[in-house]
Amino acid sequence: DVKVTQSSRYLVKRTGEKVFLECVQDMDHENMFWYRQDPGLGLRLIYFSYDVKMKEKGDIPEGYSVSREKKERFSLILESASTNQTSMYLCASMGSESAEDTQYFGPGTRLTVL
Amino acid sequence: AQSVTQLGSHVSVSEGALVLLRCNYSSSVPPYLFWYVQYPNQGLQLLLKYTSAATLVKGINGFEAEFKKSETSFHLTKPSAHMSDAAEYFCAVSDRQAGTALIFGKGTTLSVSS
Repeated sequence: DVKVTQSSRYLVKRTGEKVFLECVQDMDHENMFWYRQDPGLGLRLIYFSYDVKMKEKGDIPEGYSVSREKKERFSLILESASTNQTSMYLCASMGSESAEDTQYFGPGTRLTVL
Repeated sequence: AQSVTQLGSHVSVSEGALVLLRCNYSSSVPPYLFWYVQYPNQGLQLLLKYTSAATLVKGINGFEAEFKKSETSFHLTKPSAHMSDAAEYFCAVSDRQAGTALIFGKGTTLSVSS
């Protein structure tokens, strides 16, 4: 079974702090994704990566950056956290570049910015 | 741009009743379509997906969905609801030509009463 883990289930940070959200997958997948989930808005794509050191902006990249130094790990960085970044963050991975392939999700990190 | 519309942000049914969750997509080219389920405090899990092999797709936990090109729909059904089906359900679409990113609907919360 594919396993996608996220470093924290719950996180509380202060406005202006630099925040790192870590995601690790154990299936040697090429593609990894970061989504943000908000009530009534569904999931929105922040960034994705199709290879080590490669990244592409999604629909809402402002205020975020990402890092992929190793194939299994994809980090989401909030350079200076703001209250409007309080949300659930979900990481996903996918094995191929085929659009019909399945994305596998981690359990999510619920981030609160005070 | 592709989009997905889920009609009804909240659906309530009685145990044993039919479950019908609606999803319509907008695309000039038949896309790949997915239904994911999210149980409380968990990540998303794939229920089923349409990849053009068959218009009626069977998934896990007794769910199925039918792709109807003429109606641009991919509604999710289950003949008899269980209490354990209470969750949030997301319809998603991927574009064969636009890469691997998924576009999600806003989600439908299913409540099941005894």
